[in-house]
Formats: sequence, C-alpha cells, structure tokens
Amino acid sequence: QEQLVQSGAEVKKPGASVKVSCKASGFTFTSYQMYWVRQAPGQGLEWMGMINLSVGSTTYIQKFQGRVTMTRDTSTSTVYMELGSLRSEDTAVYYCARGRRSGNYVGAFNIWGPGTMVTVSS
Amino acid sequence: DIQMTQSPSSLSASVGDRVTITCQASQDIAKYLNWYQQKPGKAPKLLIYDTSNLETGVPSRFSGSGSGTDFTFTIRSLQPEDVATYYCQQYHDLPQFGPGTKVEIK
Repeated sequence: QEQLVQSGAEVKKPGASVKVSCKASGFTFTSYQMYWVRQAPGQGLEWMGMINLSVGSTTYIQKFQGRVTMTRDTSTSTVYMELGSLRSEDTAVYYCARGRRSGNYVGAFNIWGPGTMVTVSS
Repeated sequence: DIQMTQSPSSLSASVGDRVTITCQASQDIAKYLNWYQQKPGKAPKLLIYDTSNLETGVPSRFSGSGSGTDFTFTIRSLQPEDVATYYCQQYHDLPQFGPGTKVEIK
C-alpha cells in the first residue's frame, strides 16, 4: 500500500527553524518527485516546492527561496522539509504529497501524507 | 505568475442536485488542470486529473471539463458525503491551487 507518514506536531518560537519528515512506503522511492503543500488555519492550499527523489534536485517557489530546504534520505525513504526564520504567518499544516506518475512529472498529487501542524508562537 | 480563480466561493445545495464549480486561469493552461476534494481535518484527495480524467476509485458522479482558461467541475447528483471544499490546481507553470469552493448540504 502506497503511503506517506509524517512527523508529529511542532511548536516553535519566531525566528526558529522546523524540520518536518515524510516517510514513504509501498512504492519505489527514487522513481518519483515529492511535493510540499501548506495550509494556514482556515485558508487554502499553497504549493511550496518539490524535490526529485532520484537526484535530490529541488525547486522552490520564490516566496520561500532562502528559507526552505527540501532533502531526502534514500536509505530510509524519507523526505525532509526544513523551514527557517519562522514567523507567525508560517503557522500551518504542512503536507507532503507524491505525483501520480513517476519520473520528472509535475502534475497531479495522488498520495498525500496526513499533514504536520506547525505552530509558531512566542 | 498564473492566477487561479474559482466560483462560487461557497454553495449550498440539496441532496441529488447537480453542482457545478468553475475555475478560471489568468492565461492559457491547455488541459493542465486537476481537482481535489478536502474534508475538514483531512488531506486533500485527488478526484480529477488532466481536466477530465477520473482518478481510480473516484465515483463517476464527479466529472471535469474545459481547456485553455475556463474549466468546470461537476457533481452529477450531490451526496451527503460530498460535503467538502474543492480546489482546482494548475500545473502548466509551477503548481498552483485555486482558492477553493466550499460545498454544503441545504
């Protein structure tokens, strides 16, 4: 069964960093790209960026460039998203998601993690 | 950047009604458009990909159409379990979601 399992909720102070993990199972990890999407309380979905799980190359939207780092560990089939210089506006649920096709596919996301709540508060 | 809009932002309909949601892109995105359903407290679920293709396991009462800048998502006969927020998402450029449409039962 194809599945993504994410790390637990985090509470961070402004200016700190958070690292969220997403462990994949049930599919060939390095055949896909992984995406990160966040959702602030009561708000819509915001795509943050992606990582190619084969070569580790990344693409981030301009809004997060310089603050976000996506990495992967092929030995444990785990993807990480680290967001730094946290501010209250970063309070959100962070989702990892996998594309529905393998390779350098950027399209529909058919496998989603359950989400990780990150709260930024002093 | 491509801007995505959805209308309406919310709607209320009766069980069995036909429900239609529109999604508009600020520029031509061909057929690079997907639809998701999100229930409260849950991750989004892919329903329709590439404008009109039904994801495996998704009931056939859901459908999508369109091309270019104007797209439509339809629930043929609204069921109580369809209460959710629906998002369109383009991938002609870097992926971007529409603002969502909340569907409720009247």
